[in-house]
Amino acid sequence: DAGVIQSPRHEVTEMGQEVTLRCKPISGHDYLFWYRQTMMRGLELLIYFNNNVPIDDSGMPEDRFSAKMPNASFSTLKIQPSEPRDSAVYFCASRGTPQASTNSPLHFGNGTRLTVT
Amino acid sequence: RKEVEQDPGPFNVPEGATVAFNCTYSNSASQSFFWYRQDCRKEPKLLMSVYSSGNEDGRFTAQLNRASQYISLLIRDSKLSDSATYLCVVNMYIPPGTYKYIFGTGTRLKVLA
Repeated sequence: DAGVIQSPRHEVTEMGQEVTLRCKPISGHDYLFWYRQTMMRGLELLIYFNNNVPIDDSGMPEDRFSAKMPNASFSTLKIQPSEPRDSAVYFCASRGTPQASTNSPLHFGNGTRLTVT
Repeated sequence: RKEVEQDPGPFNVPEGATVAFNCTYSNSASQSFFWYRQDCRKEPKLLMSVYSSGNEDGRFTAQLNRASQYISLLIRDSKLSDSATYLCVVNMYIPPGTYKYIFGTGTRLKVLA
């Protein structure tokens, strides 16, 4: 079975440019999460969706960040305009909803390594 | 105080040693607990869930102490391939009604030949 698929694997861009990160969750999973990982802060939750609806976006740093989930198999995280401090690894993760829903673990994609110069 | 805290390490241990990590969490309403392993420049991967009664998977044993609000991971007979960062994860209740997976910053383990 395919896992969570993210693209691109690496992105290098100049400050001020728009960046779009993409994610395809595991089929049948109805929760999708976007995390950012840096050496200083570790893994930080940016936003998560349930059944394509954003549930909690309190971790989104500022208005330059936006996320969408137009359907159950696709999500994007967009940064516009990008800044050097946005450089990090961005992970997408998904989770199914078994009966004991809070006990279900997250499954991560390979991540997108973003460098903003 | 951080919501989930771990000793960053590194823990440098010889092959065959037993090593234990602890992780403390702040929210007593936390529902579920996990240990993840992350190799350098890779994504986190689930190592094991942590159940109230404690659970074992081969050389790995996880325990939960709700009264003291910590979880632990014990690795017996450590191998070179166990070298990685181990992340503690807590599914934490956030009022008024959502849950969040909160990650610790990880504990680095180096197993030495």
